[in-house]
Amino acid sequence: GENVEQHPSTLSVQEGDSAVIKCTYSDSASNYFPWYKQELGKGPQLIIDIRSNVGEKKDQRIAVTLNKTAKHFSLHITETQPEDSAVYFCAASLWADGLTFGKGTHLIIQP
Amino acid sequence: DAGITQSPRYKITETGRQVTLMCHQTWSHSYMFWYRQDLGHGLRLIYYSAAADITDKGEVPDGYVVSRSKTENFPLTLESATRSQTSVYFCASTGTGLQETQYFGPGTRLLVL
Repeated sequence: GENVEQHPSTLSVQEGDSAVIKCTYSDSASNYFPWYKQELGKGPQLIIDIRSNVGEKKDQRIAVTLNKTAKHFSLHITETQPEDSAVYFCAASLWADGLTFGKGTHLIIQP
Repeated sequence: DAGITQSPRYKITETGRQVTLMCHQTWSHSYMFWYRQDLGHGLRLIYYSAAADITDKGEVPDGYVVSRSKTENFPLTLESATRSQTSVYFCASTGTGLQETQYFGPGTRLLVL
């Protein structure tokens, strides 16, 4: 089955700086890559996703890049704000299967 | 707009007891999912359902039973709870397919003594 590795497990950045979280996946047939944000005491919420026919996608301060050759995708958050503090999960999926999640990154925004 | 709800939110039980966690969604979504979240493991899929009366195993199904007699409900039963099933359980749903946005409930925190 699919295996997703996520790094780093904890990331601390100054408010206003950029944050980058990286994931790798094992199955080259995976074709859907969402990112979820989980705030304390809540369920995860989708923030952005990308499909294998696209190399990059952007939504305001958030962007995701995908390198199919390297089986690698990343989340980029620019101009970080205190409300960006949360746990972020990447995931990968083949068409007929459910999501396989990474182990999560705890993002801390320092004032 | 209630969305997706889970009950109970917190549960303490003893080893060997049967426990049922409830999940209810108001969107008439076809797909529903159960995940468990443990420190160091992220979210792992237990079971999912594509429609009423259709269920399938995920990554960690052992010790769990699910049913889906109605589209809006997807209960998860631990037939004989073990300490290793202490976890936070999340239910999720999506309308059109496995590769669309999954909407998560608030979670049930389960402690097995």
